[in-house]
Amino acid sequence: DAKTTQPPSMDCAEGRAANLPCNHSTISGNEYVYWYRQIHSQGPQYIIHGLKNNETNEMASLIITEDRKSSTLILPHATLRDTAVYYCIGHNYGQNFVFGPGTRLSVLP
Amino acid sequence: GAGVSQSPSNKVTEKGKDVELRCDPISGHTALYWYRQSLGQGLEFLIYFQGNSAPDKSGLPSDRFSAERTGGSVSTLTIQRTQQEDSAVYLCASSLVGLATNEKLFFGSGTQLSVL
Repeated sequence: DAKTTQPPSMDCAEGRAANLPCNHSTISGNEYVYWYRQIHSQGPQYIIHGLKNNETNEMASLIITEDRKSSTLILPHATLRDTAVYYCIGHNYGQNFVFGPGTRLSVLP
Repeated sequence: GAGVSQSPSNKVTEKGKDVELRCDPISGHTALYWYRQSLGQGLEFLIYFQGNSAPDKSGLPSDRFSAERTGGSVSTLTIQRTQQEDSAVYLCASSLVGLATNEKLFFGSGTQLSVL
C-alpha cells in the first residue's frame, strides 16, 4: 500500500465545507485512494474511494489530482457529528489495509 | 447478523492469563482483518486472512499472539500470557474481495481488553 501523509489536525466551522488533504506521491497505478473515518469510541467507517476520477456519494466528495499524487476529501456542509479522525489510505484490492495516524477534524459550533 | 460481531465487548484479565477474542464477519465476506488500537493511538494492523490463502501475519507483535479462521468464517485472536501493554481495543473487520469497486472494510465494535 502507498504511504500517505495527512495533516495531524484541522478545524472547520459548522455548516462550512471541510476539505481534508492527503498526499500519496508513491501511489501505484492500480492502487485506489480510500477514506475512512473513526468517530470516538467506534470502529472506523468507510466513506468513499476512487482510482482516477472524482467521486461523490451521500457522505462526501473525493477529488483526485490528475497525476494522482494527492487527493482531497470534501464534506460539503460539516456538522458537529462529523468530528472524527479521517484516514486516507492507498490500497490495491486483495491486500490488507494499512491505516496511518490520520487527520483529527474538529467541527466547531 | 447484518454486521461484524465481536465478543466479548469487554474483557478484564490478570497479567499472565490467556485470552481469546472472537470475530464473526459479515456472511460471504472472504477477507478478515484484526487491528488493535491503544488509547489515543491509531490502528495497528495485526493479521489479515483472505480466503484459503496463507494469512498475512506480519503485524503480530510477538509470538504470544496468534489467530485462526475456521471454515473461512469465524476468527479467534488468542493472546497468551497477557501483559499490561496488551491492553487495547481489538478491532475486527471484514470485506468482500473480488472487485475493487466493492472492497470496503466493515468494522465491528471491538473488544476492550484490560490487563491488570
